[in-house]
This record gives sequence, structure tokens and C-alpha cells, in this order.
Amino acid sequence: GQQLNQSPQSMFIQEGEDVSMNCTSSSIFNTWLWYKQDPGEGPVLLIALYKAGELTSNGRLTAQFGITRKDSFLNISASIPSDVGIYFCAGLRSSSNTGKLIFGQGTTLQVKP
Amino acid sequence: GAVVSQHPSRVICKSGTSVKIECRSLDFQATTMFWYRQFPKKSLMLMATSNEGSKATYEQGVEKDKFLINHASLTLSTLTVTSAHPEDSSFYICSASRIFRYGYTFGSGTRLTVV
Repeated sequence: GQQLNQSPQSMFIQEGEDVSMNCTSSSIFNTWLWYKQDPGEGPVLLIALYKAGELTSNGRLTAQFGITRKDSFLNISASIPSDVGIYFCAGLRSSSNTGKLIFGQGTTLQVKP
Repeated sequence: GAVVSQHPSRVICKSGTSVKIECRSLDFQATTMFWYRQFPKKSLMLMATSNEGSKATYEQGVEKDKFLINHASLTLSTLTVTSAHPEDSSFYICSASRIFRYGYTFGSGTRLTVV
């Protein structure tokens, strides 16, 4: 099925460093969501973006909904070991809450203490 | 709020048997529930979308007779893997969307191993 282009595929960083990952698409989305998945668990919602240009923060996490509505990025500041996991972007084209989410391929983050 | 409970978290079954996985929205009514399959180090692959009281809509390539989905109420959807084979071994995850609210909440997943 269709997927968003998410990059980078993986990152290995030092504790305290900032992290940036992004998702792009050739088509427009009305909602962008960022999830984190720990091993053996389901994805947990980190940030939801509903308007083009929107910049939203959740603690050390900041995400933006691109002006063109075709991209989004997630930044993590001052990374800590518990940030380890797989981060997924997901887009929703429908303006309702019954549409299908389109997922990125995921970014695997490893943090060295 | 917005908790989705998925059960069981792990199941091992013999080849040829059927396995039922439950997905419950604990504190909200779910308009729609979604079932995903995830292979190791891969993204989530949507299998089907189910709406309460109606037949599920399956994605292309997903066998509806093998993966039976029932959405009997606004808080419960079940996925039954029928006549399971080792290639059905995977991580299955459900998610639910809330009535009149945005947001898709995921269950904690079910690790199915068919031996």
C-alpha cells in the first residue's frame, strides 16, 4: 500500500543531542500524526497536527504541519535514553475521523548514554 | 482517556487452528476500528477497516475468509485468524477512532506465533 516517505530510516545519537526526522508525500494530507512505538507494543500518539503551518510542542517534542500540506517534521530536543524506539509519521486525507491512516516507514532511534 | 485494550498480548497456536483477537475501546465509543499487521522492523500494514454493525472493508490482497472481522458493538471488534499457518505469524494491532473526535488510539498489539 501507499506509504509516506519518512527519513532518516535510523539514527544513532548521543544522549543530549537533538533529533530531527521528517515525512514527505506527493499528495496533500489534512492531518499529520506522529507516533512512537516501543518493542512489542502498539504505537502511542505523540503529536497531532490539523492545520497547515501549525507548529505544536509536547514537552521536548516539536512537530510542524508543512505549509504545502505535503510534509511534516518532528524534532526531539535534548534526547534521553528513553527516547529509544521507532517513530512513525501518519497522514490522513479525509476530514472525518473514519479515514485510513497512511504510515511512513518509520525512523528507528537509538540513544547512547 | 481514549484507551484501547487488545487481548491476548501473545498467543501460540497450532497450524490449522483458529485464533480470535479482541480489541476494546474502554472509555469511548469507536466509530471505526482498524486492523493492522506489522512485520519485524517494518511499518504498519492496514488489513481492514470495520464499522459497527456493517461488514468490514478489506485492503487489497487481504483474504477476508482467512481474517474474519466482527464489529458487533461500538466498543468491541474482533479479528479471527482462521486455519492459521506459520506464515500468519506476525504482530497484529488494532486502532479505534472516536465518535465526533479526531484521534486514532492503538491497542498494545498481539504477537501471534503459529507452530
